Amino acid sequence: GQQLNQSPQSMFIQEGEDVSMNCTSSSIFNTWLWYKQDPGEGPVLLIALYKAGELTSNGRLTAQFGITRKDSFLNISASIPSDVGIYFCAGQAGSQGNLIFGKGTKLSVKP
Amino acid sequence: DSGVTQTPKHLITATGQRVTLRCSPRSGDLSVYWYQQSLDQGLQFLIQYYNGEERAKGNILERFSAQQFPDLHSELNLSSLELGDSALYFCASSQPLLTEGQETQYFGPGTRLLVL
Repeated sequence: GQQLNQSPQSMFIQEGEDVSMNCTSSSIFNTWLWYKQDPGEGPVLLIALYKAGELTSNGRLTAQFGITRKDSFLNISASIPSDVGIYFCAGQAGSQGNLIFGKGTKLSVKP
Repeated sequence: DSGVTQTPKHLITATGQRVTLRCSPRSGDLSVYWYQQSLDQGLQFLIQYYNGEERAKGNILERFSAQQFPDLHSELNLSSLELGDSALYFCASSQPLLTEGQETQYFGPGTRLLVL
């Protein structure tokens, strides 16, 4: 089946640093979504991307839908302690609405 | 708060038992998706309902079934439970289909199932 490769698996950074994570796929996606999940909670939507090449920001977060439609990245600028959590990329392919998820990037921020 | 509600929050049961998980989508959303999150498999799509009809199936076991009712709430039924069914179960909902394959999904808080 389709798989998403998300990297890095984990990151340990200092407060104030910028963060970058990405997802790649062997197949084309119509939509890329980025979610954040806190322990014991459901994934919370951060950014949704619908067009190849699209660059979208949400506060300190910026994400891009790759031109090839097989990849996406998420950047977080000037990280703060509340950015701690697991970030997931997810994609939708073809006419199917179900999401295919990456394995997640666990972000730790040192004050 | 995503607007998607799930009950119960936690569920502890024994092997061989049957449980029902409930999900209420956001107001106006017609699609409900069920996902399973386990440590080894990550987030996996189980099944989708759209306006009461099954629309897509993923890695859902035959012991599992779901339905969506006229008021659009959905239930996921898990039967003959095994230890390996212990996981977080999430439902998500999305707006009516505007563009197929481009539905922004909002997740509920999940039900944590522990099978002993």
